[in-house]
Amino acid sequence: QVQLQESGPGLVKPSEPLSLTCAVSGGSISSYYWSWIRQPPGKGLEWIGYIYYTGTTTYNPSLKSRVTISVDTSKNDFSLRLTSVTAADTAVYYCATDRAAGTNSFYYYMDVWGKGTTVTVSS
Amino acid sequence: DIQMTQSPSSLSAYVGDRVTITCRASQSISTYLNWYQQKSGKAPKLLIYAASSLHSGVPSRFSGSGSGTDFTLTISGLQPEDFAIYYCQQSYSTPRTFGQGTKVEFK
Repeated sequence: QVQLQESGPGLVKPSEPLSLTCAVSGGSISSYYWSWIRQPPGKGLEWIGYIYYTGTTTYNPSLKSRVTISVDTSKNDFSLRLTSVTAADTAVYYCATDRAAGTNSFYYYMDVWGKGTTVTVSS
Repeated sequence: DIQMTQSPSSLSAYVGDRVTITCRASQSISTYLNWYQQKSGKAPKLLIYAASSLHSGVPSRFSGSGSGTDFTLTISGLQPEDFAIYYCQQSYSTPRTFGQGTKVEFK
């Protein structure tokens, strides 16, 4: 069973970049899409973007100018980089799989999530 | 972007009640609709995918229905462990978008 674990700094200064990594265990990263989602305190879920193991990415247009998601198949992990952060980027950041319900299915869902990591933007 | 709107934003119910949460998409998404449950301090958990398919291991008291723009999540016989926030999410297109959530509380 695939498991995900986020890691990275819990505190980032305004205007600096936020960098997180999601380690994949119990399976290979060389399949599926791999997503980042965030949740500001007391608010709902926002999809940041995802990456396919080949390196193809899709980002939320609302964050596209500041986001980079990358994959390292040799380490079986993928990463998020968000530049020019402000207090509005304070959130719990989750990584998750985004995969099809079956081999020939077009139905995608996020069924495996990391526990989440809290990132606070503050000087 | 496809906007997802849930109603109500919160509800109070007794253990054993039948609870219904609705989700409306801003355009037709066929049945590309997922439901998640999130408990305090935890990651979301997938309940339903493709509008009505029960994810593995999810109790059968959870059910989903709908297509096009209107969807429902029903909990038949609310249990103490079901008090949580529920989110719908469309997988029809990117960016993936979520509803704002429905909080189910004890009455």
